Amino acid sequence: EDKVVQSPLSLVVHEGDTVTLNCSYEVTNFRSLLWYKQEKKAPTFLFMLTSSGIEKKSGRLSSILDKKELFSILNITATQTGDSAVYLCAVEVYMEYGNKLVFGAGTILRVKS
Amino acid sequence: DAGITQSPRHKVTETGTPVTLRCHQTENHRYMYWYRQDPGHGLRLIHYSYGVKDTDKGEVSDGYSVSRSKTEDFLLTLESATSSQTSVYFCAIRRTGRINTEAFFGQGTRLTVV
Repeated sequence: EDKVVQSPLSLVVHEGDTVTLNCSYEVTNFRSLLWYKQEKKAPTFLFMLTSSGIEKKSGRLSSILDKKELFSILNITATQTGDSAVYLCAVEVYMEYGNKLVFGAGTILRVKS
Repeated sequence: DAGITQSPRHKVTETGTPVTLRCHQTENHRYMYWYRQDPGHGLRLIHYSYGVKDTDKGEVSDGYSVSRSKTEDFLLTLESATSSQTSVYFCAIRRTGRINTEAFFGQGTRLTVV
């Protein structure tokens, strides 16, 4: 059974702190790993990672994948209250009729001012 | 906005009644997905479609059926709603199912079965 595990489940930090969110996976046919941010409504796409060791960056957010150890991390530096959200990790897995995304339970991040 | 509309956005229904949720896209994407989101479980795949009239089951398909008679619409039906199907349902679309492309999500439908 394909499995994606995120940690921690929830996190409370103060503005300006740096946070690291973790995602480990155990799947049969890995294709890519994706990070999404969800603020009460639809998840919005952040990053897609396919190769180990190559950091993806977007402003204060960055992410990296380790395909040997089967995990990814999402870093957020200088956190702001607007970063408060649920962060979802998903792994793209090969299926016969088109790949599927298997999601973790998410990490709830709350940034206090 | 990735051109996905879910309807209704909110629905309260009684146990045992049939319910149909609609996902409409304007992007002409081939792949469409239905997920449910529950606390502690993240998003779980119910059914997906890889073309008109082509569908397959996901990991939590029991009690659900789907239909796709045209590219733009993907319907999710709960044949006889149960309280365990109270959830938030998200539709997603992808341009392709093979090349690594992200999924875009609709705004969700909050379904309550009483």
